[in-house]
Amino acid sequence: SYELTQPPSVSVSPGQTASITCSGDKLGNKYACWYQQKPGQSPVLVIYEDSKRPSGIPERFSGSNSGNTATLTISGTQAMDEADYYCQAWDSSTVVFGGGTKLTVL
Amino acid sequence: EVQLVESGGGLVKPGGSLRLSCAASGFTFSSYSMNWVRQAPGKGLEWVSSISSSSSSIYYADSVKGRFTISRDNAKNSLYLQMNSLRAEDTAVYYCARDEPFFDYWGQGTPVTVSS
Repeated sequence: SYELTQPPSVSVSPGQTASITCSGDKLGNKYACWYQQKPGQSPVLVIYEDSKRPSGIPERFSGSNSGNTATLTISGTQAMDEADYYCQAWDSSTVVFGGGTKLTVL
Repeated sequence: EVQLVESGGGLVKPGGSLRLSCAASGFTFSSYSMNWVRQAPGKGLEWVSSISSSSSSIYYADSVKGRFTISRDNAKNSLYLQMNSLRAEDTAVYYCARDEPFFDYWGQGTPVTVSS
């Protein structure tokens, strides 16, 4: 079965750029999307179709996807961005989530 | 405003059954595929099942195949998940999510605990 691999944790200083990767076989041939989840809340879509931002998502969130890796980039990271982030893709009519990355802003 | 409201969760014994519901509003429910996604305590997101707008295409994760059944009633703007032969590892918060095919709207989740 298809797998997406994310680092368990990423740390970033306020104002700096955070990058969270998501790796999967030929992931660049699929659309990747990203969700943010804060404690006790439902996931929120922050990037879809590799690099598009839903309305209401700040411009500091961006995405890319090429080869075997999709990347979520948060520029000028703020304390409010501290959360778990999950990548997701479709594979043969099934949905695959990455294991999640805890972003710590310190 | 798009709203998805899950209900039906609770405590159930191993081997028992439960039926979850998701009430949709604020959009044309019959035009969208829908999904169930779950999250075990302290764990990541796990996709459970998807159903197309007309119910013609249905898919399940291997972990629930043969035990769970997804369905929908477009006249009632509702999505369902019938869960049978429940196991301790099915303990999770269950979310319904609208399919675009990215999940642009999620409900607040309903908790399911399988324990004796």
